[in-house]
Amino acid sequence: SQTIHQWPATLVQPVGSPLSLECTVEGTSNPNLYWYRQAAGRGLQLLFYSVGIGQISSEVPQNLSASRPQDRQFILSSKKLLLSDSGFYLCAWSLRQGAKGRKTEAFFGQGTRLTVV
Amino acid sequence: AQSVTQLDSQVPVFEEAPVELRCNYSSSVSVYLFWYVQYPNQGLQLLLKYLSGSTLVKGINGFEAEFNKSQTSFHLRKPSVHISDTAEYFCAVCDNFGNEKLTFGTGTRLTIIP
Repeated sequence: SQTIHQWPATLVQPVGSPLSLECTVEGTSNPNLYWYRQAAGRGLQLLFYSVGIGQISSEVPQNLSASRPQDRQFILSSKKLLLSDSGFYLCAWSLRQGAKGRKTEAFFGQGTRLTVV
Repeated sequence: AQSVTQLDSQVPVFEEAPVELRCNYSSSVSVYLFWYVQYPNQGLQLLLKYLSGSTLVKGINGFEAEFNKSQTSFHLRKPSVHISDTAEYFCAVCDNFGNEKLTFGTGTRLTIIP
């Protein structure tokens, strides 16, 4: 069966420090991968999604970046954190539409609570 | 571009009463639709999904939703709620024309009153 791992679960970082959040998926190949941020009272904001290695689509211009160095690994990074980067970050994966001809749902990790101080 | 609107940010309901959480979407092409539930400090769990076929979709925990193409809606319903249903609920849309982007609404916080 497929599983998704996201770490760390919580993180407290000072303003201006770098960030690296990692997400890995097991039990499937060539998945779509997503990074979402959930700020208090603002729902889920899609930050990045990827349909393959090295292919990253950015949805919101900001000081965050994403990379997909391996098929089932998705990394969210920042060189210098801002206070406004605080939030709950969720990684997710789904099967590609072409793989089965039918879209399936996205499966989520347990999230990372980031507090920038 | 696709979008999702959840009209109610908070819905308080008495225990054992029925509930409806509203979701409207916008898309220029055919879509897939989803409802997710999120308990505090956790990831999202799928409640139900509409891909094709019957417009009435049944999910877990006694929830169901009806796809209405003419009204571009996908409202979530439960005939009798329990304390354990207290959570945040998200509607999501993805078009089925090759766009892999999954877009969520802003969520509805459902609070069950004993």
